[in-house]
Amino acid sequence: NAGVTQTPKFQVLKTGQSMTLQCAQDMNHEYMSWYRQDPGMGLRLIHYSVGAGITDQGEVPNGYNVSRSTTEDFPLRLLSAAPSQTSVYFCASSYQRNQPQHFGDGTRLSIL
Amino acid sequence: GENVEQHPSTLSVQEGDSAVIKCTYSDSASNYFPWYKQELGKRPQLIIDIRSNVGEKKDQRIAVTLNKTAKHFSLHITETQPEDSAVYFCAVGVTSGTYKYIFGTGTRLKVLA
Repeated sequence: NAGVTQTPKFQVLKTGQSMTLQCAQDMNHEYMSWYRQDPGMGLRLIHYSVGAGITDQGEVPNGYNVSRSTTEDFPLRLLSAAPSQTSVYFCASSYQRNQPQHFGDGTRLSIL
Repeated sequence: GENVEQHPSTLSVQEGDSAVIKCTYSDSASNYFPWYKQELGKRPQLIIDIRSNVGEKKDQRIAVTLNKTAKHFSLHITETQPEDSAVYFCAVGVTSGTYKYIFGTGTRLKVLA
């Protein structure tokens, strides 16, 4: 098993550009989530999904969209990048609720 | 809304001493309490977790205690070693509405040799 795979690992964008951060897991996990990590602020939940076709907003959803068309994939879309979205983004998955989350290696995103 | 507070934000201990990190939460419906360790530049990794029907859980030098009445839980690391130096995050599984995990802001632990 590859676990949770995130691509790309690094990305630099200009303000106003859009892009998609990819996340895929091969563990047949139902639950997937996206976090952003900023210094001193821990891991903040952006969006999450309890299964294919079901998504919901977390603590900081503004400026981001998600979809969950398959169990394996959970892409995160930045609609119009802003400097405030400069961060490290982590995708995580768990078999079900109340289970340990497995994290990807993260995507380091810089918005100029 | 749900809130998870974690203290202290930084903690320095001498090698061999114990370290304790505490988290408090607001949602009484919470039922799952994991702890993650994150080394510099790496992904968070689970080190121990506890569920609401258990008061304490141990795994070698690491233990977690849960007080549901007071809505707080703590991570205890005994006989600390330099490789324990990292950032530690608590998290809470919240069942109000759709299930989600909320994280604390992290504790940077430094073990001094």
